[in-house]
Amino acid sequence: SQTIHQWPATLVQPVGSPLSLECTVEGTSNPNLYWYRQAAGRGLQLLFYSVGIGQISSEVPQNLSASRPQDRQFILSSKKLLLSDSGFYLCAWDAGTGDYNEQFFGPGTRLTVL
Amino acid sequence: GENVEQHPSTLSVQEGDSAVIKCTYSDSASNYFPWYKQELGKRPQLIIDIRSNVGEKKDQRIAVTLNKTAKHFSLHITETQPEDSAVYFCATTSPRNYQLIWGAGTKLIIKP
Repeated sequence: SQTIHQWPATLVQPVGSPLSLECTVEGTSNPNLYWYRQAAGRGLQLLFYSVGIGQISSEVPQNLSASRPQDRQFILSSKKLLLSDSGFYLCAWDAGTGDYNEQFFGPGTRLTVL
Repeated sequence: GENVEQHPSTLSVQEGDSAVIKCTYSDSASNYFPWYKQELGKRPQLIIDIRSNVGEKKDQRIAVTLNKTAKHFSLHITETQPEDSAVYFCATTSPRNYQLIWGAGTKLIIKP
């Protein structure tokens, strides 16, 4: 069966510090991978998605970047965090096999920027 | 591009009553309509979905209806229970790249 991992679960960082969040998927090959951000009490904002190794599409201009160094690994980074980067970061995957793709979410990382 | 509007943003119902959440979409080529439930502090999880060749789908107390002509779909929860309290998100696929386009979410509150 497929599983998706995210770490860390919780993170408190000062403004201006770097960020690295990691997501890995097990039990599937060549998944589509996604990074979402959810501000407190708000909806799901798609940040990045990837259909393959090294292929990253950015949906929202910001100070974040994403990389996919391996098929089942997706990393979200920032060189300098802003207060507005606080939120709940969710990684998700789907099988990418067509137009009926259920997305499966990881447990999330709660980031607080102080 | 595709756009999904979800209403209401907050819904409060008495335990045992029914709840209905509605979403409208803009692209008539959309053909997949899932609903996700997110409990407080947890990840969103799929609870029911419907494809464009079906008008209604039921799973115990939850059902989804689709009106392709009017381009809207709805989530129906009957006999609501405290554990139904959560945020519910609708979504549909973008015909451009099959990515999910999300509604803004509905916070459902079940009053005892």
